[in-house]
Amino acid sequence: NAGVMQNPRHLVRRRGQEARLRCSPMKGHSHVYWYRQLPEEGLKFMVYLQKENIIDESGMPKERFSAEFPKEGPSILRIQQVVRGDSAAYFCASSPTTGNEQYFGPGTRLTVT
Amino acid sequence: DAKTTQPTSMDCAEGRAANLPCNHSTISGNEYVYWYRQIHSQGPQYIIHGLKNNETNEMASLIITEDRKSSTLILPHATLRDTAVYYCIVRDFGNEKLTFGTGTRLTIIP
Repeated sequence: NAGVMQNPRHLVRRRGQEARLRCSPMKGHSHVYWYRQLPEEGLKFMVYLQKENIIDESGMPKERFSAEFPKEGPSILRIQQVVRGDSAAYFCASSPTTGNEQYFGPGTRLTVT
Repeated sequence: DAKTTQPTSMDCAEGRAANLPCNHSTISGNEYVYWYRQIHSQGPQYIIHGLKNNETNEMASLIITEDRKSSTLILPHATLRDTAVYYCIVRDFGNEKLTFGTGTRLTIIP
């Protein structure tokens, strides 16, 4: 059973460009979570989605960031007009139902130049 | 904000048991204690969780005090591959987000 997959693993963007991060949950998992880890800091929750629904986006920055989890295909975290402060590791996790442990992917390391 | 307090760092000799403490004095009745670890810059890895009773799985044991205000994660025979940052997280059953603190950086010494 393949684990949570994220791509790309490394992404370099210039200031002002858009970044799209993809997450494929484990087979049978319909709950997806995104976390961000800034350099030398802990992980911070961003958003929790179920298929086609955003359940909790309390950790998402108010502007430029959006997330979706369509009926078909991976979950996407989209960052518009990236700035240097967006440089971080972005981790996706999935779980089969609510209240279960979350399984994390390897992360996408975003570098904004 | 994290509801747990952990030592910043610990060392443990290879082959010995590693005991990682965690204080969660404000834990409420419906909150679970979860442990994750992050090896270098990889994604966090689930280890174990519990509510009141002690728990054991293939990776570790979790000992929760009777008043539930603290717990200890035990890695019975630490190996070099157990070197990681270990996070103790208190999580409400109805709350899906994990709140990570600063964790304990465990170093296994050969």
